[in-house]
Amino acid sequence: GQSLEQPSEVTAVEGAIVQINCTYQTSGFYGLSWYQQHDGGAPTFLSYNALDGLEETGRFSSFLSRSDSYGYLLLQELQMKDSASYFCAVRLNQGGKLIFGQGTELSVKP
Amino acid sequence: EAGVAQSPRYKIIEKRQSVAFWCNPISGHATLYWYQQILGQGPKLLIQFQNNGVVDDSQLPKDRFSAERLKGVDSTLKIQPAKLEDSAVYLCASSLGTGGYQEGELFFGEGSRLTVL
Repeated sequence: GQSLEQPSEVTAVEGAIVQINCTYQTSGFYGLSWYQQHDGGAPTFLSYNALDGLEETGRFSSFLSRSDSYGYLLLQELQMKDSASYFCAVRLNQGGKLIFGQGTELSVKP
Repeated sequence: EAGVAQSPRYKIIEKRQSVAFWCNPISGHATLYWYQQILGQGPKLLIQFQNNGVVDDSQLPKDRFSAERLKGVDSTLKIQPAKLEDSAVYLCASSLGTGGYQEGELFFGEGSRLTVL
């Protein structure tokens, strides 16, 4: 079977930095994505890593280590609006299934 | 550009009734996905289309769920008969195609929230 492990909840304060980890055990691996979902809203795409290393997009960065089957999402200068659920997702092969983890609920406190 | 359109946004039915959801992907997007999201969980892939062919439907409960994508554009997901455990949000998503960054970036609709009583 396929498994993606992420912490269920993370709490941080405004202005801080938080890291959300994702480890995966899957039958194939083409790339790792991250999505944000606010309560009652649609998941929105944040980033994608197909190769090892760090991808930076504004306040958000994502990292991948294929040899460790591990990635993380780094959120800097946290804002209240960052309170949401964050999902990692693995593309098993080119053009194939995209499977999601169970999500991490991030709460940003003032 | 217009996003992924879904309807209806909300539907309440009794068990054993049937329901259908409609999705119109972003224009030009070849790949279309239906996901089921139960409250507090991650989206679970039900079926994936590439144009009007099925790429994966391994987790679609085929005794009660069906989906089609006519002419490689719009798609319909049907449940008949519905069970209590089908209560969930049904998310439609589309992506441009295969290869490179497109592999990771899906565009989701707002979802159709189904309550089965």
